[in-house]
Amino acid sequence: DAGVIQSPRHEVTEMGQEVTLRCKPISGHNSLFWYRQTMMRGLELLIYFNNNVPIDDSGMPEDRFSAKMPNASFSTLKIQPSEPRDSAVYFCASGTGTGGQGRNTQYFGPGTRLTVL
Amino acid sequence: DQQVKQNSPSLSVQEGRISILNCDYTNSMFDYFLWYKKYPAEGPTFLISISSIKDKNEDGRFTVFLNKSAKHLSLHIVPSQPGDSAVYFCAASGTASKLTFGTGTRLQVTL
Repeated sequence: DAGVIQSPRHEVTEMGQEVTLRCKPISGHNSLFWYRQTMMRGLELLIYFNNNVPIDDSGMPEDRFSAKMPNASFSTLKIQPSEPRDSAVYFCASGTGTGGQGRNTQYFGPGTRLTVL
Repeated sequence: DQQVKQNSPSLSVQEGRISILNCDYTNSMFDYFLWYKKYPAEGPTFLISISSIKDKNEDGRFTVFLNKSAKHLSLHIVPSQPGDSAVYFCAASGTASKLTFGTGTRLQVTL
């Protein structure tokens, strides 16, 4: 079975440019999560969706960041305009949990390493 | 405010010995806890979990212990192997689907 698929794996862009990261969750999973990993802050949750609906976007750093999930098999995270401080590894994860005991295991994609010059 | 803390950024253990990774949490609403392992240039991989109704869960060489009164959990790896060298993240969740992660502990297993 294919795991979580992310593209691109690496992205190098210049400050001010728009960046779009893509994620295909595991088929049958109803939750999707976007994380950012940096040396300083570790793994931060940016936003998550249940059944394609955004549930909690309190981790989105500012209005330059937006995320969509138009259907159960695809999500995007967009940064516009990008800044050097956005450089990080961005992970997408999916899961079957909607809360409750034993149902919140998340499965991660390989990540997108973003470098903003 | 860090709700899940891994106070040891790194740990070095000899091959064959026990590795003990620690994690503390502050939110009493957390009722499900997980450990993830991460190799460089890969996403975190789920390793083992425990719910708050248990105090121990074992899977092969990996055992997670939960002390609810102390709000503390630990991951024991016995015996440690060089392939266990990775960054280990502790995570916790409550009634919502989201996980709160610690900052990770880098484990180095030496020969």
